[in-house]
Amino acid sequence: LAKTTQPISMDSYEGQEVNITCSHNNIATNDYITWYQQFPSQGPRFIIQGYKTKVTNEVASLFIPADRKSSTLSLPRVSLSDTAVYYCLVGDFAGGYNKLIFGAGTRLAVHP
Amino acid sequence: EPEVTQTPSHQVTQMGQEVILRCVPISNHLYFYWYRQILGQKVEFLVSFYNNEISEKSEIFDDQFSVERPDGSNFTLKIRSTKLEDSAMYFCASSGTGYSGNTIYFGEGSWLTVV
Repeated sequence: LAKTTQPISMDSYEGQEVNITCSHNNIATNDYITWYQQFPSQGPRFIIQGYKTKVTNEVASLFIPADRKSSTLSLPRVSLSDTAVYYCLVGDFAGGYNKLIFGAGTRLAVHP
Repeated sequence: EPEVTQTPSHQVTQMGQEVILRCVPISNHLYFYWYRQILGQKVEFLVSFYNNEISEKSEIFDDQFSVERPDGSNFTLKIRSTKLEDSAMYFCASSGTGYSGNTIYFGEGSWLTVV
């Protein structure tokens, strides 16, 4: 399983765009990059998943450069409710199975 | 959006007692998981379950723990002889083929307090 490195914490203000970068230098060919969000006392919530280039959904965008050794989660115009821990995970989801290994994640604090 | 549901949301038990945490995975999912998170720590993998048997387990998942899929919808985690250090949030998750693709979905968790 590819190891990931992401900042321990970040601060932002309401209305700003937040970019959280994750490095995964030893990502394997079959690995996908997945981001989860976790609020206190709640389960991790899937945000976005991608393999290469750019993926966008109603919540976030995920930018993946050609070498796939890093990825950036972009949250547009954050609000106070985006204060949470964000996890970057890398793994092979072939067939639908994956043993996710969570790191410490990035603790995002959004201020008024 | 599909949901994994867990019960109870919170349980307090005395040390040495047995607890059963219940989960209803997303229908049509094939893979089921249990994770736990001790307060202030990382989310840790416990066990995965497929085709009515354990497919992978961590070092944490010792003989004190067991999982079962008693019927077509429920997935349970049994913890025998609970210890103080078993106090944690336990998350059930599921994934597999189906309309939700290969995404792993987590439940809201069962908070276990051992006193």
